[in-house]
Order: sequence, then structure tokens, then C-alpha cells
Amino acid sequence: TQLLEQSPQFLSIQEGENLTVYCNSSSVFSSLQWYRQEPGEGPVLLVTVVTGGEVKKLKRLTFQFGDARKDSSLHITAAQPGDTGLYLCAGTGSGGYQKVTFGTGTKLQVIP
Amino acid sequence: DTAVSQTPKYLVTQMGNDKSIKCEQNLGHDTMYWYKQDSKKFLKIMFSYNNKELIINETVPNRFSPKSPDKAHLNLHINSLELGDSAVYFCASSQAREQYFGPGTRLTVT
Repeated sequence: TQLLEQSPQFLSIQEGENLTVYCNSSSVFSSLQWYRQEPGEGPVLLVTVVTGGEVKKLKRLTFQFGDARKDSSLHITAAQPGDTGLYLCAGTGSGGYQKVTFGTGTKLQVIP
Repeated sequence: DTAVSQTPKYLVTQMGNDKSIKCEQNLGHDTMYWYKQDSKKFLKIMFSYNNKELIINETVPNRFSPKSPDKAHLNLHINSLELGDSAVYFCASSQAREQYFGPGTRLTVT
């Protein structure tokens, strides 16, 4: 069974601070996605990383895929209240059918 | 136009009842999923269909039965509802790695 552990589980910070969320596994994934979920809504895709060591930027969000494709990080610079939400990583396995496993989630609160 | 829609949004019912949740996607995707999100926000896959064919069936009780009448629809029927079934159920669709989620159905069993 592939498991994805996210840390921290909860994070409450002031507007303008920087933060990093980690997504770790002992399994290798063919790709990894990051989603953000707001209360009462479904998760919304932010980014997909595919290559080991890959870095992608989405405005103030920087995503990195580990060299061994077992882990990933999400760094937010100068957090805004609009960044508040549940962040989920999701790993896609390799093989005939690419099963997706979701991480344990990180709940972020950015205080104005 | 809503890409993935689910009905109902909220469902409150008593133990022992049977209920259904409907899902439709207009993205033309081949694969659809049902997920259960518990109170700790952990999102766990229940079923996956590809072109109306069941391809993933995680360890879900037999009381849960998915049905895919066509590629754009995946419904979830639940028999003999139990208190532990209370959760938010999400439908999703995908064509490749990325998944597109519906707004969720909050099921409360009393």
C-alpha cells in the first residue's frame, strides 16, 4: 500500500510569512499532483510534477518533486489570506492502471 | 458550465435506509471515481470506472454499489446505511493524471 504523509498537519501563520509543506512516501511515483480544497468544495488541481528534481512555480507557490520521485514540497512566499485551505498532495503510481493515492492533508490558515 | 456535478449536495437520512448519489461529468473524460473524505479530511478512493468498466474497487463494503450507465455518469448506491457512512463523498473524473472533482455530497446518517 502506497502512503503519502504530509507535514505539518496544521499550520496557522500571519499574512506575509513564508511556509513549506512536505509530502513524503517510501514509494516511487510516476507523477505527483498538488490540490487545494476550500470548505464545502472539492479539491482543485494546482500543479503536476513528473520528473525527479522538477521545480514548478505558480505565482507565489513553488512546487518541487524529489530526485527519487518519492517526495515533494510546496513553498508559499508571502502568504495571503486567500491561500487558506486544505492542501493535498496526490501520487500517481506506475503500471498498467495509474492509481492515485492522496496524502494526509495540510490545513493552512493565513491570518490577516 | 459545471464540469463535474453531483446531486444532492446534502443528504440526511436514518440508519438502515438506502440512498443514491448521482454524478455527471461533461469533460469527455474516460475515467470516473468515487472518493470518501472523513472528518479528518483524509480522501480515500472507493471505486474507479474506465469507459463504464470497473477498474478499482478498494475494500469497500458490499452495501456500496457503483453504477455507470454511460461514460459521463457514475452513480453510487448505498444500502442499509450505517452511522459510520457519514462523510463527504466526492465524484471525480480524469483523462490523464489530473483529476477534476465535483462539489461533494455531505451524507449524515442519524
